[in-house]
Amino acid sequence: AQKITQTQPGMFVQEKEAVTLDCTYDTSDPSYGLFWYKQPSSGEMIFLIYQGSYDQQNATEGRYSLNFQKARKSANLVISASQLGDSAMYFCAMREGLYGNNRLAFGKGNQVVVIP
Amino acid sequence: GAGVSQSPSNKVTEKGKDVELRCDPISGHTALYWYRQSLGQGLEFLIYFQGNSAPDKSGLPSDRFSAERTGGSVSTLTIQRTQQEDSAVYLCASSLGDRGLLETQYFGPGTRLLVL
Repeated sequence: AQKITQTQPGMFVQEKEAVTLDCTYDTSDPSYGLFWYKQPSSGEMIFLIYQGSYDQQNATEGRYSLNFQKARKSANLVISASQLGDSAMYFCAMREGLYGNNRLAFGKGNQVVVIP
Repeated sequence: GAGVSQSPSNKVTEKGKDVELRCDPISGHTALYWYRQSLGQGLEFLIYFQGNSAPDKSGLPSDRFSAERTGGSVSTLTIQRTQQEDSAVYLCASSLGDRGLLETQYFGPGTRLLVL
């Protein structure tokens, strides 16, 4: 079964507008971490933001925020005030369990193109 | 160095040849990971090192794939008798290794492997 689901088609976003990228996850473990990475055309995976399953508040990091809805098992990424440099693939990932299992399970990604 | 480095950046090889991919983690990071990114399969976990030990190598797709890590630092991923389906981007990541739930993995630029 797929652990992370990202199903949005490619998105075009006007510069300076906000964009929301959807991510739903599947786990029965009460302890997990959710991560978002950005992959520009250069190929490097850049860490953006994370959220722990026990966190009460939504994570924020600069222009990035995570809309964490635990009951719905969703962890959507919100990018505010989009910039041309935000054009990239965005991947949602999950790490399950407190100990022993360090692997990240990734979704298929969301393509974002910011237009001036 | 400041980040994870990988070499070579690109590798073209003939079917049946062996290849070695190298990863230099961030200094002080005890955990190291290999992932593979291909168009059809997305991002797949391959193997995880804690120090020089590999407690999780369950993602290696076949016995043609092996990896080692020496001195708790540099890691080499070896693919023997390469096949065309091995063509992908091989990404290395490292993390502090403190095994916290939100332990962040930082990725290198990847090695693009093309098997002809």
